[in-house]
Amino acid sequence: EAGVVQSPRYKIIEKKQPVAFWCNPISGHNTLYWYLQNLGQGPELLIRYENEEAVDDSQLPKDRFSAERLKGVDSTLKIQPAELGDSAVYLCASSLGLNSDTQYFGPGTRLTVL
Amino acid sequence: AQSVTQLGSHVSVSEGALVLLRCNYSSSVPPYLFWYVQYPNQGLQLLLKYTSAATLVKGINGFEAEFKKSETSFHLTKPSAHMSDAAEYFCAVSFTGGGNKLTFGTGTQLKVEL
Repeated sequence: EAGVVQSPRYKIIEKKQPVAFWCNPISGHNTLYWYLQNLGQGPELLIRYENEEAVDDSQLPKDRFSAERLKGVDSTLKIQPAELGDSAVYLCASSLGLNSDTQYFGPGTRLTVL
Repeated sequence: AQSVTQLGSHVSVSEGALVLLRCNYSSSVPPYLFWYVQYPNQGLQLLLKYTSAATLVKGINGFEAEFKKSETSFHLTKPSAHMSDAAEYFCAVSFTGGGNKLTFGTGTQLKVEL
């Protein structure tokens, strides 16, 4: 069974440029998460989807970040415009959606903003 | 609000020695507790989880953890370290009704020496 797929794995951009990350969750997983992981830190939740609905986006900086999960499967996270402080690893995870359920993580996208 | 504290950002052990990684949690409701491992340039992989059943939880790769409510702890142990255990380990907490939202600690980097 394929795991959570993310692309690209690495991205280098200039500040003020837009960038997008893509995630394909495990088949059948209704819940999808985007996390931000800064260097030397644990992941922090940005947004959680139940099917196509964003049910927790309280930590998403909405002035520059946006996300979508069309048709309740794949998801895209966008930053526009990117700032130097956005350099981090962006992790996608998915789960069946029940409480205490295991979240399965993708390999992440490492973003460097110059 | 829930939180976890991981004592020791770096732990070094000799191959064959006991591994002990410490995690203390804070939660106003009964928690679910998790240990994840992250190898370089990879996503997080679940080692084990506590979901209010047995307090001693066995996970993959010979790891186990014991939930101690009186000490608000969930320390991770392995009797004999192997070189392949070198990685970063994250403790995380969620709770019933929390929408499966994970709050992670800052991580402990485990180094295994010959």
